[in-house]
Amino acid sequence: AQKITQTQPGMFVQEKEAVTLDCTYDTSDPSYGLFWYKQPSSGEMIFLIYQGSYDQQNATEGRYSLNFQKARKSANLVISASQLGDSAMYFCAMREGGKLIFGQGTELSVKP
Amino acid sequence: KAGVTQTPRYLIKTRGQQVTLSCSPISGHRSVSWYQQTPGQGLQFLFEYFSETQRNKGNFPGRFSGRQFSNSRSEMNVSTLELGDSALYLCASSLAIGTGVGDTQYFGPGTRLTVL
Repeated sequence: AQKITQTQPGMFVQEKEAVTLDCTYDTSDPSYGLFWYKQPSSGEMIFLIYQGSYDQQNATEGRYSLNFQKARKSANLVISASQLGDSAMYFCAMREGGKLIFGQGTELSVKP
Repeated sequence: KAGVTQTPRYLIKTRGQQVTLSCSPISGHRSVSWYQQTPGQGLQFLFEYFSETQRNKGNFPGRFSGRQFSNSRSEMNVSTLELGDSALYLCASSLAIGTGVGDTQYFGPGTRLTVL
């Protein structure tokens, strides 16, 4: 069975600085997809970025980039130039069949 | 394009009652999935519907059921509510085209259910 591990329950970052949120995964499938979602206190899960196992380059979406290290089975999310609005829970997830398997999440707090 | 919508947003029920939650996917999306989120268990998959058929099911008791209509809208029903059913219920939709690993799920705002 696939598994996602996020080892940082909470993190603090200064506004305008970069931050890396860790995610490691375990799967025996050669083809897989990794996702990052943001969940503000309102509850809605917001899709941020996707990385496919066969993608040659690391995914980027605006201030979000994914540091994908296949051999280490890690897919860390990098947020550049943090903003106060980035304060939220962040979830790493992997597609398994028709469902997403989620990690436990990291709570990010951005300090002014 | 409108996002995923869920109704109601908040719900308070008592033990033993039943509840129905509704989800309208993004236009053109054919797959609808449901998740339960609790502080203790995190995000857990309930089921996925595609073309009005349940395609995948999570490890939940039979009190949890769902269905999908021809317009892809989906409903989820929980019968004989228990205190432990208090949770945020999230619905997600996706295009469901291709091999699937890159099929992005887009979530609605959720329904916060409180069972007293």
